[in-house]
Amino acid sequence: DTGVSQDPRHKITKRGQNVTFRCDPISEHNRLYWYRQTLGQGPEFLTYFQNEAQLEKSRLLSDRFSAERPKGSFSTLEIQRTEQGDSAMYLCASSLFPDTQYFGPGTRLTVL
Amino acid sequence: KQEVTQIPAALSVPEGENLVLNCSFTDSAIYNLQWFRQDPGKGLTSLLLIQSSQREQTSGRLNASLDKSSGRSTLYIAASQPGDSATYLCAVVKTGANNLFFGTGTRLTVIP
Repeated sequence: DTGVSQDPRHKITKRGQNVTFRCDPISEHNRLYWYRQTLGQGPEFLTYFQNEAQLEKSRLLSDRFSAERPKGSFSTLEIQRTEQGDSAMYLCASSLFPDTQYFGPGTRLTVL
Repeated sequence: KQEVTQIPAALSVPEGENLVLNCSFTDSAIYNLQWFRQDPGKGLTSLLLIQSSQREQTSGRLNASLDKSSGRSTLYIAASQPGDSATYLCAVVKTGANNLFFGTGTRLTVIP
């Protein structure tokens, strides 16, 4: 068990550019979650998958945000036309519901 | 809407002291509650998970309690060490939901 991994760990981009983050969950976990955390706050839920099905996406912050989990394995989170307000830590977690959610190290996004 | 509050926001204690961190939530219809630790700039490490039917969980020097009817949980840390310095977050899964609702955390500093 190598834990949840995320790539990249840091991303600096210019306003208006598109960015994509990857999350590799713990292999036997069927659920994968994306959260966003801004400075001094707790993580905020964005979306989750059960296997390859995206079962909740109403919390995605705008239509610029989208997520996929092809084949129920790794997942990607894309932000199009980034804005400075998108600067945050993006966290991925996985679980074998209803058990503990295990988090990855996060991807820190800075939009200039 | 579920709201999770953690008080105090920051706490400093001398090494060796026992301490209690508090978490309260507004909607008692929860499925489970988790306590996490977060080091600066890092992801979250799961410490303890308490199912709604349980009253407490223990792991090493950590003990978490849950009083669902009053909407409260506490995390007790015995014999604190400088390595315990971190932000501690509590989070709940509402009944019928799938994601974690987080508090804003308590930043703990253990002074050698």
